[in-house]
Amino acid sequence: GNSVTQMEGPVTLSEEAFLTINCTYTATGYPSLFWYVQYPGEGLQLLLKATKADDKGSNKGFEATYRKETTSFHLEKGSVQVSDSAVYFCALSEAGGTSYGKLTFGQGTILTVHP
Amino acid sequence: ETGVTQTPRHLVMGMTNKKSLKCEQHLGHNAMYWYKQSAKKPLELMFVYNFKEQTENNSVPSRFSPECPNSSHLFLHLHTLQPEDSALYLCASSQDPDSSFGELFFGEGSRLTVL
Repeated sequence: GNSVTQMEGPVTLSEEAFLTINCTYTATGYPSLFWYVQYPGEGLQLLLKATKADDKGSNKGFEATYRKETTSFHLEKGSVQVSDSAVYFCALSEAGGTSYGKLTFGQGTILTVHP
Repeated sequence: ETGVTQTPRHLVMGMTNKKSLKCEQHLGHNAMYWYKQSAKKPLELMFVYNFKEQTENNSVPSRFSPECPNSSHLFLHLHTLQPEDSALYLCASSQDPDSSFGELFFGEGSRLTVL
């Protein structure tokens, strides 16, 4: 079956530091890949996505590139802010048919950014 | 009104109680989902409804009973739960599982505690 593995957290950084959160996946076929973010007290919201190999998703200064050869989708940001403190989830969606809405999530990585 | 609204936000119940969680989406979407978020575990898909029809039951125990009377409303009826069922229950919606490319819109969740 499909699976997503994220780096263990929590991750604690100072403001303006560089962020990387690793994500690797196992899937049959060619899944779509996503990063969702959950701010304190809120539901998850889509941060960025990539639907095919070598695509780069980007939003709010965050980027992730779909690497089929390494089955990875690492999240990066060049300069984090305190407001980026949240839980980040990597996820994949099975390709084809009616499976797009059925996401497989990683366990989440807690990010805390200090001033 | 916000996109996906869940009530109640917090619920405490005994193992012999019967209660219900409610979800309403104001986005005109056709698919709705229940996910379970437990501490230190990945989000688990529970149920999927597409155009009011259940298309996925991810081996969920029968003490959880979903109901989808229309494309805008989704309920999760709870009875004779166990303490290990304590979790955050997240409702989500999407335009259509076939075309959404995995972009789900989540509510803020209902925090359930079973005593």
